[in-house]
Amino acid sequence: ETGVTQTPRHLVMGMTNKKSLKCEQHLGHNAMYWYKQSAKKPLELMFVYNFKEQTENNSVPSRFSPECPNSSHLFLHLHTLQPEDSALYLCASSIGGASGRPFWSTDTQYFGPGTRLTVL
Amino acid sequence: AQSVTQLDSQVPVFEEAPVELRCNYSSSVSVYLFWYVQYPNQGLQLLLKYLSGSTLVKGINGFEAEFNKSQTSFHLRKPSVHISDTAEYFCAVRWGSARQLTFGSGTQLTVLP
Repeated sequence: ETGVTQTPRHLVMGMTNKKSLKCEQHLGHNAMYWYKQSAKKPLELMFVYNFKEQTENNSVPSRFSPECPNSSHLFLHLHTLQPEDSALYLCASSIGGASGRPFWSTDTQYFGPGTRLTVL
Repeated sequence: AQSVTQLDSQVPVFEEAPVELRCNYSSSVSVYLFWYVQYPNQGLQLLLKYLSGSTLVKGINGFEAEFNKSQTSFHLRKPSVHISDTAEYFCAVRWGSARQLTFGSGTQLTVLP
């Protein structure tokens, strides 16, 4: 596998289910991101991790719970979602920066194929 | 607040014609600029980026973009498009040492036979 992979590619869940999205990067990067892409809206950054530490949480509801066990893997745990949470969830990775320091100016994000989530 | 504007939500163009997709951003202080392409049912693929140096940047698939600091623009161009270029194109900006990218709302390019 190369680049950034995401599983599953498609997920249908009820509002009371608990599920998880998985992202894995094979680029040797240190930073990983979750984005939400809804129809007719700009990409929304949800979370950023750098060296396994969460550095950004853009006011995301607690029904979305990220987990970053190491620099290569990122999960998004989902529970009691709402129909309006249906969207394409994109994972990205980048070189990032040294722990606790700003990212390099040349930092470039590479994206996975996304998970298409439908909440019934 | 800093913002990225893609002025055209839809751009139809005939095959082999030239195309320009427009992108403007709100502030020119220390910006890093990116164009991504998204084909149907796929993630975002990096087309090109401007980090420093020459203001004319060449990317994959024959695309290029020009950084214009005075106009705060980073328009994407291709001299002759193909059917396979049909996709959504996103402009993104990072200001200074910010960790996050700010994306425009996207431009759907449709190449007609």
